[in-house]
Amino acid sequence: NAGVTQTPKFQVLKTGQSMTLQCAQDMNHNSMYWYRQDPGMGLRLIYYSASEGTTDKGEVPNGYNVSRLNKREFSLRLESAAPSQTSVYFCASSVRPDEEKLFFGSGTQLSVL
Amino acid sequence: GNSVTQMEGPVTLSEEAFLTINCTYTATGYPSLFWYVQYPGEGLQLLLKATKADDKGSNKGFEATYRKETTSFHLEKGSVQVSDSAVYFCARSSGGTSYGKLTFGQGTILTVHP
Repeated sequence: NAGVTQTPKFQVLKTGQSMTLQCAQDMNHNSMYWYRQDPGMGLRLIYYSASEGTTDKGEVPNGYNVSRLNKREFSLRLESAAPSQTSVYFCASSVRPDEEKLFFGSGTQLSVL
Repeated sequence: GNSVTQMEGPVTLSEEAFLTINCTYTATGYPSLFWYVQYPGEGLQLLLKATKADDKGSNKGFEATYRKETTSFHLEKGSVQVSDSAVYFCARSSGGTSYGKLTFGQGTILTVHP
């Protein structure tokens, strides 16, 4: 079982470049999330999608946009990357919005120079 | 607001040693509490959970008890193995309608030597 799949695993960008992080889940989950993980700070929620067709801001949404393309896919876009966005990004999913058991992808390590 | 504080790491132990990783949380609402584990090169996965005061979550020899009076959810294991080497995250839900929005601690790196 694939679970939650993220691409790419590693990416290096120059300041001002744009890119999209892809996430797909094959568990028929309704809700999907994007977190970033920074040293000493744990995981912080960027955006989430409670169900197909809806998206909402999390704790640190500035500089990001998301698209819930369909039930399976939830992408995160950086329009103009900044060094402060250097981080590890995790996508996660859950059966429903109020389900607190999250299933995580293996992460994307992003460096912005 | 909601927050979770974990003990500073890294923690280095010998195989079969006793493990405690401390975790405290802010006492707002009626949160559920979680421990997630991240093995090298992988995403986080749920290790155990407790949904109300005095509940004990357990899995793979790990235990944690929801202590409302001390706002704590410390992770313990009686005898660690090399395969337990990972990063451990304590987390709480918002309490009430949470929409899966967990608040995570900063993570504690555990290394177990043979």
